[in-house]
Amino acid sequence: DAGITQSPRYKITETGRQVTLMCHQTWSHSYMFWYRQDLGHGLRLIYYSAAADITDKGEVPDGYVVSRSKTENFPLTLESATRSQTSVYFCASRTDYTGELFFGEGSRLTVL
Amino acid sequence: QQQVKQSPQSLIVQKGGIPIINCAYENTAFDYFPWYQQFPGKGPALLIAIRPDVSEKKEGRFTISFNKSAKQFSLHIMDSQPGDSATYFCAALRGNTGKLIFGQGTTLQVKP
Repeated sequence: DAGITQSPRYKITETGRQVTLMCHQTWSHSYMFWYRQDLGHGLRLIYYSAAADITDKGEVPDGYVVSRSKTENFPLTLESATRSQTSVYFCASRTDYTGELFFGEGSRLTVL
Repeated sequence: QQQVKQSPQSLIVQKGGIPIINCAYENTAFDYFPWYQQFPGKGPALLIAIRPDVSEKKEGRFTISFNKSAKQFSLHIMDSQPGDSATYFCAALRGNTGKLIFGQGTTLQVKP
C-alpha cells in the first residue's frame, strides 16, 4: 500500500531498554520527520532528515538516535528508554515542493 | 522555546457556531502557515494553509485569517458540525530549513 507506515503501533517496554520505532514511506519524499505528541505540548519535533544520510536535530532530540541509510526508511531509536519518553510518536514525510506533511498513524510507546 | 503559541487549549461550541482558534509566532522568517486536523487514533492531516503574502484564505467552511504585522493567524470554522470535533494544530515553516514547528493544539468539541 502506498503511504507512510509505522511499526509497531503499540509498544510497552521497561526503563533502560532499547527500543526502535520503524517508519517506511513509499513516495520517495526527500524529507522525513519524527514528532512526539504529548498533552499540553502538541507535536514536538525530535529529528528530521532532508535526504538519505542527512539528519538534523529538532526541538527535543535528547535520548533519541536516528539514521537514514535509505530514502524510504527513517527509524527512531531510544537507546535507554526513560518514563519521560512515554508518548505517541509520529513519523511524517514531505516533498521538496510543498510544505504539506503526510503523517503515519502513530506509535504509542509506554515505558514502565 | 515555544516558537508557535496556540490558544485556546480546548473549545466547546454548539452545532452551527463559529469556533476560532488563534496562533502567534515569533520568527519573522516563517513563510508557510498550515493548519492540521487530527481525529482520535489517527495522524494529523493538512486542512488548509496560507502564505504571508495574503491576509485570508477560504476552503469550504474553513478560513485562515493572517495578520503579518501582529505575527498572528487564526482558523475559523463556519457552520461547525459534530464531525468537526477533533484536535487542531497550527504550524509554521521556514522553507529552507524543512522544519515544521507546531503549536500546542486545540481540542474542539461541537455539540449536536
